[in-house]
Amino acid sequence: AQSVAQPEDQVNVAEGNPLTVKCTYSVSGNPYLFWYVQYPNRGLQFLLKYITGDNLVKGSYGFEAEFNKSQTSFHLKKPSALVSDSALYFCAVRGSGSARQLTFGSGTQLTVLP
Amino acid sequence: SQTIHQWPATLVQPVGSPLSLECTVEGTSNPNLYWYRQAAGRGLQLLFYSVGIGQISSEVPQNLSASRPQDRQFILSSKKLLLSDSGFYLCAWSVGTGANQPQHFGDGTRLSIL
Repeated sequence: AQSVAQPEDQVNVAEGNPLTVKCTYSVSGNPYLFWYVQYPNRGLQFLLKYITGDNLVKGSYGFEAEFNKSQTSFHLKKPSALVSDSALYFCAVRGSGSARQLTFGSGTQLTVLP
Repeated sequence: SQTIHQWPATLVQPVGSPLSLECTVEGTSNPNLYWYRQAAGRGLQLLFYSVGIGQISSEVPQNLSASRPQDRQFILSSKKLLLSDSGFYLCAWSVGTGANQPQHFGDGTRLSIL
């Protein structure tokens, strides 16, 4: 079975500071990993994905994520947070050896304080 | 470019009434289509997915059903709504082949059952 854990329900960070939203996963085979952002009363927006290759993946709006195979983690990062980054963030995974659909984490609410 | 439309955006229905939510995708052919429910602004539960016209897979037993009458149309239905059917319903699509493809979401329908 595949699973995703987002250990923090809430992350607060001051504007201009770096931010990290944590994600760990468990899958069969090689992982395909995704980050999404959700603003209130909207659908999820795709930010970035890891398929293979470089462990540091760059995505939309200045976000990046670091894949760590030994720690089975895929943490979302941004060097300098904006108030407009405040939203709900979801990590998702699908294993290359699995016919299952995407499995989403429970979400992390990011609040950037002015 | 591809777009996904869901309607209505909000819906208030009495217990026992029928339901029909519609989702359409433009700008792509033979997409995979998905229905999710999001409770309390957090985790996503996959309800149904479809890899082609008339092909529906159900992930969880429930009071709902789905149909795909056309290539880019996905409908979520119920004959008699329950209070527990309240929630935020999201439709998504992905490229038909490849486990490494992200899903792209519509803006959802907020369903309230009275």
